[in-house]
Amino acid sequence: GEDVEQSLFLSVREGDSSVINCTYTDSSSTYLYWYKQEPGAGLQLLTYIFSNMDMKQDQRLTVLLNKKDKHLSLRIADTQTGDSAIYFCALTGSARQLTFGSGTQLTVLP
Amino acid sequence: NAGVMQNPRHLVRRRGQEARLRCSPMKGHSHVYWYRQLPEEGLKFMVYLQKENIIDESGMPKERFSAEFPKEGPSILRIQQVVRGDSAAYFCASSNGLAGDHEQFFGPGTRLTVL
Repeated sequence: GEDVEQSLFLSVREGDSSVINCTYTDSSSTYLYWYKQEPGAGLQLLTYIFSNMDMKQDQRLTVLLNKKDKHLSLRIADTQTGDSAIYFCALTGSARQLTFGSGTQLTVLP
Repeated sequence: NAGVMQNPRHLVRRRGQEARLRCSPMKGHSHVYWYRQLPEEGLKFMVYLQKENIIDESGMPKERFSAEFPKEGPSILRIQQVVRGDSAAYFCASSNGLAGDHEQFFGPGTRLTVL
């Protein structure tokens, strides 16, 4: 089955850029997603990219997709303390279900 | 337009009891997905349902777990004879299932604690 890997932790200083990385094994996914989860809360869809795109920008968020290397990244510009959360990458499976990475805990230091 | 609703938000059960988790999809959505999140882990797919049909239950444990999405009312995830290892957050997501409409919208989750 699909395997999705993320590093567990990332710390950045307020105002710096954050880059959260994700690698995956199955290249057949049509859409690739980034979700944000704050403590005790559900998942909030931040952005997604269609598999035939290389890059997508949405305000402070930039998604890069390297299909050759099966690598997805999320860059958050001008990171704020409110961005502290767990970030999950997710891919669509064969029957619309999502396969999630284990999440990256982003900590923004003042 | 209310989002995906789940209740209860927190559920405490003793070993051997039954847990019933409810999910009301967004208005107009007929597709429901259940995911489980164990502590310190990502979400794992359990089951995908449309009204009165189970489409994919490949992530569902073979015993004690069942799910339904009746014609009327919420989707129900039922766990019989709960064990401590069932303690987790259970998330429901919904979509409208239309071709080209791929987004899943998540509810706030039910946090199940088995004592």
